[in-house]
Amino acid sequence: EAGVAQSPRYKIIEKRQSVAFWCNPISGHATLYWYQQILGQGPKLLIQFQNNGVVDDSQLPKDRFSAERLKGVDSTLKIQPAKLEDSAVYLCASSLREENRAFFGQGTRLTVV
Amino acid sequence: AQTVTQSQPEMSVQEAETVTLSCTYDTSESDYYLFWYKQPPSRQMILVIRQEAYKQQNATENRFSVNFQKAAKSFSLKISDSQLGDAAMYFCAVLINTGNQFYFGTGTSLTVIP
Repeated sequence: EAGVAQSPRYKIIEKRQSVAFWCNPISGHATLYWYQQILGQGPKLLIQFQNNGVVDDSQLPKDRFSAERLKGVDSTLKIQPAKLEDSAVYLCASSLREENRAFFGQGTRLTVV
Repeated sequence: AQTVTQSQPEMSVQEAETVTLSCTYDTSESDYYLFWYKQPPSRQMILVIRQEAYKQQNATENRFSVNFQKAAKSFSLKISDSQLGDAAMYFCAVLINTGNQFYFGTGTSLTVIP
């Protein structure tokens, strides 16, 4: 079974630039999560989708972050403009309600310089 | 709001010995699941063990077992016969079934000493 795919694996950008991350969840998984994991900390939920609808985006900095999940499958997370404090690993996960667990991608490590 | 607390930022254990990682959580929900995930330097989150909150029996997976105390909202992970490959960050997490919401603790860095 294919897992959660994320790209790119690594990205280095200058502050004030824009960046986008892509996630392809496991086929059939209705729930998709984006997490921000700052070095040495636990993952923080940025946004949760159920199909193509947003369930929770309370911790998404909406002035600079945006996310979409077109057709309820792939998702993109965008940061515009990036700040130094956005340097982190961005994890995507997906789940099927009946399975009661989440599957994670390998993450994208973003460095803002 | 759901919170997950891991009070041990770092732990170490001698190879072949046993170590216990602590986790407490707070939720007003009654239908939830608890997890321990392992995250090696590769950043891949690997599921170690899962506990259904409605089950009283503690989950076990080979060398990994949990001590689930529902009334105390405590969910500790015991690793027996520790191996060098167990060295990683360990995260406790709770999945709230109603909204499929998933929350993580701050993690415990486990070092295994040869």
